[in-house]
Amino acid sequence: DADVTQTPRNRITKTGKRIMLECSQTKGHDRMYWYRQDPGLGLRLIYYSFDVKDINKGEISDGYSVSRQAQAKFSLSLESAIPNQTALYFCATSERGRGGANVLTFGAGSRLTVL
Amino acid sequence: KNEVEQSPQNLTAQEGEFITINCSYSVGISALHWLQQHPGGGIVSLFMLSSGKKKHGRLIATINIQEKHSSLHITASHPRDSAVYICAVIRGPGNQFYFGTGTSLTVIP
Repeated sequence: DADVTQTPRNRITKTGKRIMLECSQTKGHDRMYWYRQDPGLGLRLIYYSFDVKDINKGEISDGYSVSRQAQAKFSLSLESAIPNQTALYFCATSERGRGGANVLTFGAGSRLTVL
Repeated sequence: KNEVEQSPQNLTAQEGEFITINCSYSVGISALHWLQQHPGGGIVSLFMLSSGKKKHGRLIATINIQEKHSSLHITASHPRDSAVYICAVIRGPGNQFYFGTGTSLTVIP
């Protein structure tokens, strides 16, 4: 089984629908992240969480919300999907490595298409 | 302007060639990652380094903290090396990640 599991892997939906992307991890990492990737752009941070009670907005949080249900689970919701939210979404986890640097592990990605 | 710049954006090489991908960043960092993304999307971490040089098989990563520059080298390139290579830096009080836009490498047999 993958260390970081994302579901669904692919989803096609219509404008206005509510969508939830789920992420679970077996790494035991405290830190979890949601990123989106668009062609020609780097990975951009949507939300991040350093523990269950800590949720922070990233650079592109508008139109998204998250829930950290447990240390191992971090879900991303689009309350009312719009076409420009069509993208590849990644969940990632990290822990602090030796020397203070973080080790980063990605899920396989969730491809979302909003029609 | 992205604070992490990669070059080139696209690279095509013949099998066996030596490949270099560059990453420059504009502010102080605590560490830098090189990531590989294959067609199909999955992203894996190749290296994390904060100084000097690391080697894993045919891949070598170097970093010069003073010049704010890192390079990823692939020796004896192979078609299976075809992927997007992404540079990511870690900085700030929250140890946030900042990503380059990636270098798309195609190795032709």
